[in-house]
Amino acid sequence: SQTIHQWPATLVQPVGSPLSLECTVEGTSNPNLYWYRQAAGRGLQLLFYSVGIGQISSEVPQNLSASRPQDRQFILSSKKLLLSDSGFYLCAWSRLPGANVLTFGAGSRLTVL
Amino acid sequence: AQTVTQSQPEMSVQEAETVTLSCTYDTSENNYYLFWYKQPPSRQMILVIRQEAYKQQNATENRFSVNFQKAAKSFSLKISDSQLGDTAMYFCAFMQIQGAQKLVFGQGTRLTINP
Repeated sequence: SQTIHQWPATLVQPVGSPLSLECTVEGTSNPNLYWYRQAAGRGLQLLFYSVGIGQISSEVPQNLSASRPQDRQFILSSKKLLLSDSGFYLCAWSRLPGANVLTFGAGSRLTVL
Repeated sequence: AQTVTQSQPEMSVQEAETVTLSCTYDTSENNYYLFWYKQPPSRQMILVIRQEAYKQQNATENRFSVNFQKAAKSFSLKISDSQLGDTAMYFCAFMQIQGAQKLVFGQGTRLTINP
């Protein structure tokens, strides 16, 4: 069966520090991978998605970047965090063909102070 | 661009009652998917139900059912015999079939089931 792992679960970082959130999927190959952000009390906003290694699409201009160094690994990064980067970050995957269902990880709560 | 609107920020019902959550969406696509996801206090996103736009029959999953009105671009979720464990944020979401398969979410409805 397929599983998705996301870490760290919680992170408290000072403004201006770097960020690295990691997501890995097991039990499948060539998944579509996604990073979403959920601000407090709000819906989910798509940040990045990837259909293959090295293929990253950005949905909104921001202080963050994403990379996919391996088939089942998706990393969310920042060189210098802003207060506005605080939120709950969710990684998700879907599988082709018929990739119409996203399965989400447990999420990473980031607090920037 | 597609948009999803959930007009009820919060709802509250008694256990065993039936509750309906509203969702409308805007798209120029003819074929697409619609979803309801549940986010309990653990914040794990859980798929509740899925509807293919080309199917006229409303999807049903045990106590959960939808009322899909394609012409009106409406996709409501009905929870029958509500249980305390149904307490959660509920998100309506849209996915187009053509092109990149991305989920577009509504702002969510916070549902509380009271004992």
